[in-house]
Amino acid sequence: GAGVSQSPRYKVAKRGQDVALRCDPISGHVSLFWYQQALGQGPEFLTYFQNEAQLDKSGLPSDRFFAERPEGSVSTLKIQRTQQEDSAVYLCASSFRRTGNGEQYFGPGTRLTVT
Amino acid sequence: GNSVTQMEGPVTLSEEAFLTINCTYTATGYPSLFWYVQYPGEGLQLLLKATKADDKGSNKGFEATYRKETTSFHLEKGSVQVSDSAVYFCALLTGGGNKLTFGTGTQLKVEL
Repeated sequence: GAGVSQSPRYKVAKRGQDVALRCDPISGHVSLFWYQQALGQGPEFLTYFQNEAQLDKSGLPSDRFFAERPEGSVSTLKIQRTQQEDSAVYLCASSFRRTGNGEQYFGPGTRLTVT
Repeated sequence: GNSVTQMEGPVTLSEEAFLTINCTYTATGYPSLFWYVQYPGEGLQLLLKATKADDKGSNKGFEATYRKETTSFHLEKGSVQVSDSAVYFCALLTGGGNKLTFGTGTQLKVEL
């Protein structure tokens, strides 16, 4: 079956532009996660959804970052007024479980470059 | 807070060599521990996990034992192959939580 897909795979934005990154989780997966991975670093948690409810957004670095999952399936991570420090790979992961057991299925990521 | 420390890479080995990638952690409570692997051009994949002290996770010839007394979860493989070349991430999850905390990753290169 299909895995987690993300689009676009690469995005170049000028500083100050808004961007929207899409995640299609595995069908039926209840939980959805967003991570930010800077160059040479491990992924860092941004936010978590259980179905359409955003239960944890403690990792979002500023109010310029916004995530939604309105129908409990596809999710969009939006970054407003992008800054150079936002350049990173943004990873989406999903899990069929409601409660955490750490077994998450990751997409290939969207590489965002802010110029 | 929670944190994971991994040995720095890249680690370069000849095929059939023994592999150890060190991982230590700091966490409140009793975390579950994981190794994820990222092959070139692919997304992160779960390699193995252990949920309590003294558990051994294993998969594809890789093993790691949860050592509470040394707060470690070192990854080992007896005989690496070129196809094992990838970046390996150690991670933890604390009880009731949903967010994984990752180390910085260790790149492994296996040469013929």
